[in-house]
Formats: sequence, structure tokens, C-alpha cells
Amino acid sequence: DTEVTQTPKHLVMGMTNKKSLKCEQHMGHRAMYWYKQKAKKPPELMFVYSYEKLSINESVPSRFSPECPNSSLLNLHLHALQPEDSALYLCASSQTPEGAGNTIYFGEGSWLTVV
Amino acid sequence: GEDVEQSLFLSVREGDSSVINCTYTDSSSTYLYWYKQEPGAGLQLLTYIFSNMDMKQDQRLTVLLNKKDKHLSLRIADTQTGDSAIYFCAESPFRNSGNTPLVFGKGTRLSVIA
Repeated sequence: DTEVTQTPKHLVMGMTNKKSLKCEQHMGHRAMYWYKQKAKKPPELMFVYSYEKLSINESVPSRFSPECPNSSLLNLHLHALQPEDSALYLCASSQTPEGAGNTIYFGEGSWLTVV
Repeated sequence: GEDVEQSLFLSVREGDSSVINCTYTDSSSTYLYWYKQEPGAGLQLLTYIFSNMDMKQDQRLTVLLNKKDKHLSLRIADTQTGDSAIYFCAESPFRNSGNTPLVFGKGTRLSVIA
């Protein structure tokens, strides 16, 4: 089973709202990722968690706040977003953060619309 | 620097072979990947190749790697309408943090004509 599950599939939120995107994997992977994808563009890395610790933050604005409560779960907390933050948010995981076995599996994504 | 280049569009007839090309810049990448994205969906890992290999075949898919030229290709034999999608080439360059997250090309939109 190579499944990464994301919820919700679709989210519409106002600029003053607080919401969260959730991601779950039960493959025993120790690295988890958030990517952002705008229409007709490739995914862009936002955050990497290695062994439940934040290891990469690609200069993402603080209105995006990641959280890794345990090795199976990854959240992305959203607050005071802008309309240009509307995108597909993809969660991914890999067995290890680096080197051999670093095949990265993606979820189906959460479509976020900020109004 | 990290950069992955792909042609943006490819159109083929059903039953023909498709070849999608990619060039990358970072020689530290241990693995190189091909992902498929259908409209409205996430990324599906199609195949990957370890950097010390020249070729990998998996059913209708053949990956060729020219490490000297940093060139990667994906050949899809007997292309079907269900193969219509965007295909992303990706590398995983090593960083000082030890992480190797993916760097994607812009994607090649494959259109299959019946």
C-alpha cells in the first residue's frame, strides 16, 4: 500500500479564516513534505519534516504553519491567507529523507480557494 | 544550481510511441523520477532510475539516462488515450541538511490523438 491520504479534497476559505489541511500515511515513512502547485506549474516545495522535526522551510510566509504531531500525520495550518495562495496543496512522504529509498509518494492533494 | 528542463507539449497518435525528454543540472542527484499528473489529480509515481543505471524498463515504460549529458528520457510504447496527462521529470539533489526533496521540471503535456 503506497497511499498518502489528504483531507479535505476541496476547501474554500475567507482571508480572515483559520483552517487546516491534513495528511496521513501508514507506510512507516519518516519524511513528509508539503508542496504547493499553481495551475499549469510544477509543484514547489514548501516544507520537509524528517523524523517529525522540521528540516526544510523554503522561506514560506508565516501564514502557513506546518505541524507534525506524529510520524503518520502532517498538518498545514492556514491563517490570514491571500487570494494568491489559492492552489493545489500536495502532501508527500518517503521512507527516509535522503539517499537510498527516497522514493517520494504523493497524495491526491487539497484544492484551496481563498476568497 | 538546481534546474530541470522539459519540453512543454507532445502530441502523438494512439498506438505510436511517445518520447518525453528532460535535462537536469545537479550531478549529485541519486535518483531521477517520472511522475504523471492527470487533470484534477495528484502526482502518480510512474518510475524512477538510480543514477548508476543507463536504462530501466517497466512494461510499456522505458527510461534512458545519459549521466554524462544529464539527459533523461521516458518512452511510452503503444501510447493509449489514457496516457494523456502531464509528465513531470524530477531530480533529488543532495542538500547539506541531508534531505533530498524533489525538484521538478515544468512538465510535458502529452496529448494522445485517437
